[in-house]
Amino acid sequence: AQTVTQSQPEMSVQEAETVTLSCTYDTSENNYYLFWYKQPPSRQMILVIRQEAYKQQNATENRFSVNFQKAAKSFSLKISDSQLGDTAMYFCAFMKLTGNQFYFGTGTSLTVIP
Amino acid sequence: DVKVTQSSRYLVKRTGEKVFLECVQDMDHENMFWYRQDPGLGLRLIYFSYDVKMKEKGDIPEGYSVSREKKERFSLILESASTNQTSMYLCASSGGTGGKGTFGSGTRLTVV
Repeated sequence: AQTVTQSQPEMSVQEAETVTLSCTYDTSENNYYLFWYKQPPSRQMILVIRQEAYKQQNATENRFSVNFQKAAKSFSLKISDSQLGDTAMYFCAFMKLTGNQFYFGTGTSLTVIP
Repeated sequence: DVKVTQSSRYLVKRTGEKVFLECVQDMDHENMFWYRQDPGLGLRLIYFSYDVKMKEKGDIPEGYSVSREKKERFSLILESASTNQTSMYLCASSGGTGGKGTFGSGTRLTVV
């Protein structure tokens, strides 16, 4: 079975600062996908970033980047130059390579303080 | 703009009622999912479907059933609503293997 753990229920960051959200997962699979989703107060889940486990290079999307440590089964999200619009719940998710089912963590509520 | 549309944003139902939550996607995706979201528990998978008329149980299927008669539509059915089914329900779809999920805006269901 796959499990995803987000150990930080709540976090806050000053506007323009950098924040890192943690995620660890447990799996016996060797190849898989990892995702970070953002859920703002509007409730619409939005894909932030996606990482293929067979790629060593960490994924980046503008101000968002990940630190993927496959051996440690760790997948943290770094948000640089935090903006007020980054205030949201962030979910880490796992998907097997041969599957189509997401396994989600419990989420981290991030507040960006002006 | 591609979309997953959930028929209701808010819904209030009485205990014992049969409840239908509808979800429609316009991306020709094979896979569709129903999740339940509760504070501190994240998203838990109720059912998913990888093809028309196909369904698989997720982690918490008890008290729920689903229907997928057409590729674009995936319905979640609460056979006899109970107060412990008060929650946020999210529908999602994805294409192929490893495809990113596209989510609906959620239905906040209250059972009284």
